[in-house]
Amino acid sequence: AQSVTQLGSHVSVSEGALVLLRCNYSSSVPPYLFWYVQYPNQGLQLLLKYTTGATLVKGINGFEAEFKKSETSFHLTKPSAHMSDAAEYFCAVSVNSGGSNYKLTFGKGTLLTVNP
Amino acid sequence: DTGVSQDPRHKITKRGQNVTFRCDPISEHNRLYWYRQTLGQGPEFLTYFQNEAQLEKSRLLSDRFSAERPKGSFSTLEIQRTEQGDSAMYLCASRRGENTEAFFGQGTRLTVV
Repeated sequence: AQSVTQLGSHVSVSEGALVLLRCNYSSSVPPYLFWYVQYPNQGLQLLLKYTTGATLVKGINGFEAEFKKSETSFHLTKPSAHMSDAAEYFCAVSVNSGGSNYKLTFGKGTLLTVNP
Repeated sequence: DTGVSQDPRHKITKRGQNVTFRCDPISEHNRLYWYRQTLGQGPEFLTYFQNEAQLEKSRLLSDRFSAERPKGSFSTLEIQRTEQGDSAMYLCASRRGENTEAFFGQGTRLTVV
């Protein structure tokens, strides 16, 4: 079974500073990896995904993530934080566990606070 | 593409009552998922439909829970004899194919009092 660990339940940065949210995964087969963002009382919006190919993935709102198989990591970064980035971020892994379901397994989330 | 729609957005119910939630996926998305999210946690998989067939159910889906997708379009999730532990956000997601993005609805927040 696959699993996701997000290091740090809460990350606080200053506006304009680097954002780094950490994600490690466990999977017995090649995974698909995702980062989602969730604003209060809202659903999840996809930031970026890795399926195959280039290991550095660029997403929306200036975010990017790098798939490192040797480290089983998929950390999310953004060079310069904006106040509007304050939200909860979820890393997720997807594998074909039978029936082509590709269900998502999520980490517990990291709450990002951006200070003015 | 009007997005995934969930109804209601909020539901408060007394313990022991039955509740039903509806999810309308993006049209032509044949794959539909239900997830449950409790406070401070990531979403957890409940069940998966491909067209009208329910192909997988999580162990989280006790006998009090039932989900349907009668014509391969909208889906319903019913909880019978609700308990306080059922209080959570219930999220629906749909996707068109295996290697495609899953789109989430805004969720139904259930509070059992």
